[in-house]
Amino acid sequence: DAGVIQSPRHEVTEMGQEVTLRCKPISGHNSLFWYRQTMMRGLELLIYFNNNVPIDDSGMPEDRFSAKMPNASFSTLKIQPSEPRDSAVYFCASSLGMGPQGEAFFGQGTRLTVV
Amino acid sequence: AQSVTQLDSQVPVFEEAPVELRCNYSSSVSVYLFWYVQYPNQGLQLLLKYLSGSTLVKGINGFEAEFNKSQTSFHLRKPSVHISDTAEYFCAVSEGSSNTGKLIFGQGTTLQVKP
Repeated sequence: DAGVIQSPRHEVTEMGQEVTLRCKPISGHNSLFWYRQTMMRGLELLIYFNNNVPIDDSGMPEDRFSAKMPNASFSTLKIQPSEPRDSAVYFCASSLGMGPQGEAFFGQGTRLTVV
Repeated sequence: AQSVTQLDSQVPVFEEAPVELRCNYSSSVSVYLFWYVQYPNQGLQLLLKYLSGSTLVKGINGFEAEFNKSQTSFHLRKPSVHISDTAEYFCAVSEGSSNTGKLIFGQGTTLQVKP
């Protein structure tokens, strides 16, 4: 398996534009996590899904952020409208099962810059 | 609420020297503990995890960590580091009772191995 695949790897956009980040989890994994990494706040869990259903979205910073998982092999994280403070590296991770026995595998991340 | 504190933001060390990266956690319930490594421009990779049983856990690349419940610590050690160990290391905690797989990360420690 190619691992967790995220696209794009880098995204530069202007303030106010819509940004969509994409994630393809490892085949067979049924849990998917979106994290955001910044220098100031470190790694923060934004939202996670189990069997395509959002379980906890309490980490989503505000209504400008939304995430979907239409099927087991694809998830998106959308920011609309984007703001400079959204600049960060966004990671997607997947695991088999929700418990910690299932190791979370991380993608290489999307580096988002909002100017 | 759970939290993780990594006491050192940067740890410089010479090649072949031993190293310890410190991690303390706070939780009112039982926890699972993890160490992840992040190489430049890469996602996170699991080094080791403590779920139960022996408090000394061995991981990949010669790393090990010891769970100390009384001191609420999970320090990472390696007896002899290599240049290739230069990376950022994250300690993380997951609540044992919830079985959600949700990870709370520390701020990270940058290990700088010098020749």
